[in-house]
Amino acid sequence: QKEVEQNSGPLSVPEGAIASLNCTYSDRGSQSFFWYRQYSGKSPELIMFIYSNGDKEDGRFTAQLNKASQYVSLLIRDSQPSDSATYLCAVKPNQGGKLIFGQGTELSVKP
Amino acid sequence: GAGVSQSPSNKVTEKGKDVELRCDPISGHTALYWYRQSLGQGLEFLIYFQGNSAPDKSGLPSDRFSAERTGGSVSTLTIQRTQQEDSAVYLCASSPGQFYGYTFGSGTRLTVV
Repeated sequence: QKEVEQNSGPLSVPEGAIASLNCTYSDRGSQSFFWYRQYSGKSPELIMFIYSNGDKEDGRFTAQLNKASQYVSLLIRDSQPSDSATYLCAVKPNQGGKLIFGQGTELSVKP
Repeated sequence: GAGVSQSPSNKVTEKGKDVELRCDPISGHTALYWYRQSLGQGLEFLIYFQGNSAPDKSGLPSDRFSAERTGGSVSTLTIQRTQQEDSAVYLCASSPGQFYGYTFGSGTRLTVV
């Protein structure tokens, strides 16, 4: 079992729809959770982080964390073509100082 | 500086040559990380420096890879006797500490021919 798992996609949604990106992790003691966006040919950019169970909203983005289910998600409301990118889930496990990244989910928003 | 700076942005080298990749983190960031990303793949952890602690080298794929961080700031990743499978984008990131998210540099694209 991979430490951090994401569906690779591609996930295709129409412009204006809600895009839902999901991530599961194996280390139950994981403490911090991050979502990065990576445009093709560019480096990852931090867009959201969440530490506590529940929802955290920032503009059109909402991160959701359920530690009991070891599940974290990212919702993008009113999706725009400019949201088309690969979204990487990253988890800080209980031990060690580095983030563990998932393989990423490719999102395509169609006009 | 304002962001994480990496150099060179592109490097083409012949198989068997040594290369050095440089990373200048955000001023004041105590943690520095090296990852690599092969085409279409996820991020592979290489090495992590936190303050004056011993680095976490657990991700280095072979003894041809080494890294140092001088004065708690600039870091150099060295790959000796490069092989074609070393071709990838090498990403450096820094953070204020291990509980924070990273800021990535723009990467060094290494091509071994």
